This record gives sequence, C-alpha cells and structure tokens, in this order.
Amino acid sequence: DVKVTQSSRYLVKRTGEKVFLECVQDMDHENMFWYRQDPGLGLRLIYFSYDVKMKEKGDIPEGYSVSREKKERFSLILESASTNQTSMYLCASSSSGGRVGYTFGSGTRLTVV
Amino acid sequence: DAKTTQPTSMDCAEGRAANLPCNHSTISGNEYVYWYRQIHSQGPQYIIHGLKNNETNEMASLIITEDRKSSTLILPHATLRDTAVYYCIAGSNDYKLSFGAGTTVTVRA
Repeated sequence: DVKVTQSSRYLVKRTGEKVFLECVQDMDHENMFWYRQDPGLGLRLIYFSYDVKMKEKGDIPEGYSVSREKKERFSLILESASTNQTSMYLCASSSSGGRVGYTFGSGTRLTVV
Repeated sequence: DAKTTQPTSMDCAEGRAANLPCNHSTISGNEYVYWYRQIHSQGPQYIIHGLKNNETNEMASLIITEDRKSSTLILPHATLRDTAVYYCIAGSNDYKLSFGAGTTVTVRA
C-alpha cells in the first residue's frame, strides 16, 4: 500500500527550539508539499518541492524552512518555534503529470509551549 | 488556482445519493477539478478529478458542466463513514493546490 509517512503523530516542543518534521513517501513522487491546518483557516501551503534540492515558498513560509536532499524525503524545519506555530502539519506528495491526486500523510499535531 | 465556492455544510440520509455542488467560474482551460475529503483527525484523501468529461471511480462520480464553471460530486449510496469535509479544488496536479474551507457533509442514519 503506497503511503506518505510523517515521523511523529504528536509532538510537544518549547518556544525557541529548532523543530524538524520529517516526511517520507514510497511512491517515487516528484512533488512534495507541506501544509498546516488550523480551525477556521483550512489548509495553508507552507512550502513545496518539485525535485530534489528544489523548493518553492507557499502562502505562509515565514518562520519555516525545508530540506529535500533525497527524492523520498521532505523535511519541514521550524527555525525557532513559537506558540503561533502550534498546529496540525500535513505532508503530501504527487506525481508530475500523474492521473491521481495528492497522497497525504496522517499529520503531525505540534504543540509549542 | 481558480477560486471555488462550496456550501458550508449539508446533510444527507444514509443510503441515499449525496450531491455536492461546486462553482469554479474562473477555471482556466488547463485546470482540473479535484475533489478530496478529510475525515476527522486524518489527512485529506483524494477522491476523483476531471478536466472536461464526467468521471466515475469506485468512490464517486464527478459531473462537470459543459462550460466547466461548475461541477457536482456524487456519492451514490452515502454511508455514515462518508461523514467528512469535502474539498473542491480547481488547479493542476503539477502545481500547488489551494484548499478552501470545503463542505462539511454529515450523513445521518
């Protein structure tokens, strides 16, 4: 069964910590995405990547960075976690020119205290 | 991505067809219509997508109007497990997709 795996389901971090959220896909997909989801705001795109070592800013990139050193792995980095980054983080992947849509992971619920 | 408009919520009866409307009047010629759903506390799940023609798969049917300005997702026999938020998106799989608020569908026994 194809999947997108996010390393943690729940995470609690302290303000100011550097936080790494990991996402791995086993479908050989070219495209990978990071979204955050907050009540009343829907899913908002943080960063996405079309290929290894390539990245593009989404709608809300401030306070985040990403890394894609290997095709299957896309990491989201919170340089200095703040309480307003408490959220559900969702990773997704898709195939370029593919006939199906995104495949999402189960999400990481991050709480910054 | 073209903007889409969906009703905020809708109810349907278990076993009956659920018809979910979506308006996308500014859709461009190369943009697809995608439907996803999100069951509580899970990541969104892809349902179906189409460009011009109607599409059907094991989950649902997608009816796109001839002018492509609106579409309807049909769940043929709704079950309680179909209770979820349904997102209609106009865009390209090769590019970022913008998820709006979606329609909260509640299937009642």
